Amino acid sequence: AQTVTQSQPEMSVQEAETVTLSCTYDTSESDYYLFWYKQPPSRQMILVIRQEAYKQQNATENRFSVNFQKAAKSFSLKISDSQLGDAAMYFCAYRGDFAEYGNKLVFGAGTILRVKS
Amino acid sequence: DGGITQSPKYLFRKEGQNVTLSCEQNLNHDAMYWYRQDPGQGLRLIYYSQIVNDFQKGDIAEGYSVSREKKESFPLTVTSAQKNPTAFYLCASSWGSGYQETQYFGPGTRLLVL
Repeated sequence: AQTVTQSQPEMSVQEAETVTLSCTYDTSESDYYLFWYKQPPSRQMILVIRQEAYKQQNATENRFSVNFQKAAKSFSLKISDSQLGDAAMYFCAYRGDFAEYGNKLVFGAGTILRVKS
Repeated sequence: DGGITQSPKYLFRKEGQNVTLSCEQNLNHDAMYWYRQDPGQGLRLIYYSQIVNDFQKGDIAEGYSVSREKKESFPLTVTSAQKNPTAFYLCASSWGSGYQETQYFGPGTRLLVL
């Protein structure tokens, strides 16, 4: 079974600085998708970024980018120019073979990000 | 506005009572999902449905039931058999099959036991 591990329960960053959140996963599959979701205090889950495993190029969405290391099974999220609105719980998620698992997402335990002004 | 709605925002259950959480989407998505979130933990899949009148168990289906009679609706019933129902429940939807499909989430329902 696939597992997703977020080893940092909590992180802090100064406003305007850069922070990196870590995520590792375990799988025997070669094709899969990886996601970062943000959950602010409102508890609404918001998609931040996604990465297809077959793409070597790291995904980027404005101030958010990932460092995808397939061989190492690592998928970290970098937030540049951090803003107060970035404060939230961040979840890393994995989706594997659709034929076997449907569209099921496997989530990590989350990392709380605090942004200091 | 297109989106996913969940109601109620807060729900209180008495011992031995069944309660139903509502999830509605107007995104024309084929697939819908129910997740449970406990404090300090990630989300765990309860049930999912990829087409109308069909659904599959997720990782923690015991004590829960669902129906999918309409494409836009996927209600979740928490039965009395669920001994620890206090949690935050999230509904999600996506277009359906395929690796490229991204799940989008509703605002959630907080269930508390009296």
